[in-house]
Amino acid sequence: GAGVSQSPSNKVTEKGKDVELRCDPISGHTALYWYRQSLGQGLEFLIYFQGNSAPDKSGLPSDRFSAERTGGSVSTLTIQRTQQEDSAVYLCASSSGQGSSYNSPLHFGNGTRLTVT
Amino acid sequence: AQSVTQPDIHITVSEGASLELRCNYSYGATPYLFWYVQSPGQGLQLLLKYFSGDTLVQGIKGFEAEFKRSQSSFNLRKPSVHWSDAAEYFCAVGRAAGNKLTFGGGTRVLVKP
Repeated sequence: GAGVSQSPSNKVTEKGKDVELRCDPISGHTALYWYRQSLGQGLEFLIYFQGNSAPDKSGLPSDRFSAERTGGSVSTLTIQRTQQEDSAVYLCASSSGQGSSYNSPLHFGNGTRLTVT
Repeated sequence: AQSVTQPDIHITVSEGASLELRCNYSYGATPYLFWYVQSPGQGLQLLLKYFSGDTLVQGIKGFEAEFKRSQSSFNLRKPSVHWSDAAEYFCAVGRAAGNKLTFGGGTRVLVKP
């Protein structure tokens, strides 16, 4: 595709419900990242995929958060039993290179704005 | 642990005036440094990056940044801002292994006519 696509663009959910956020990376990009941007905060790293594997999931804030990637392409970030502090913009990014290659910059999607009421 | 500080949360500048955004980092090895811009309703776009070599790097949209190791800084500059430069700007540092970036808190730039 032309860019990184995320869906939905907005999601409002009730506290305690589960949500799934989807990321379609640029075709052929092997690396995929999830970040969270809370109001007034910078971007917080959540998890990194290389292919279907997640060598770094150190940023996931709790066991309510999980992510998977299938076919080396689409990734889903799942938040179980959502809490109000989960409200944020969730950003996905992809890059074409291996994790150690800095000549392949990150391409970000427009994010999913999650509001937990 | 690596960290990035952007001391200015908001900056207001007149159109045509110069702009400088500050970024200080803390990192134990040679840093890989980036500036991203996030326009309203848009995803983040890479402005420029520094890996090694010339400490003054040129980016897109007329931006440049200078790496100063002695000051642990990577400040972003533009000689003459345009109304379309109104956005939020993020400085980021990467580790040698992997493309995992640590971002600063961002600086929101408002451009006055």
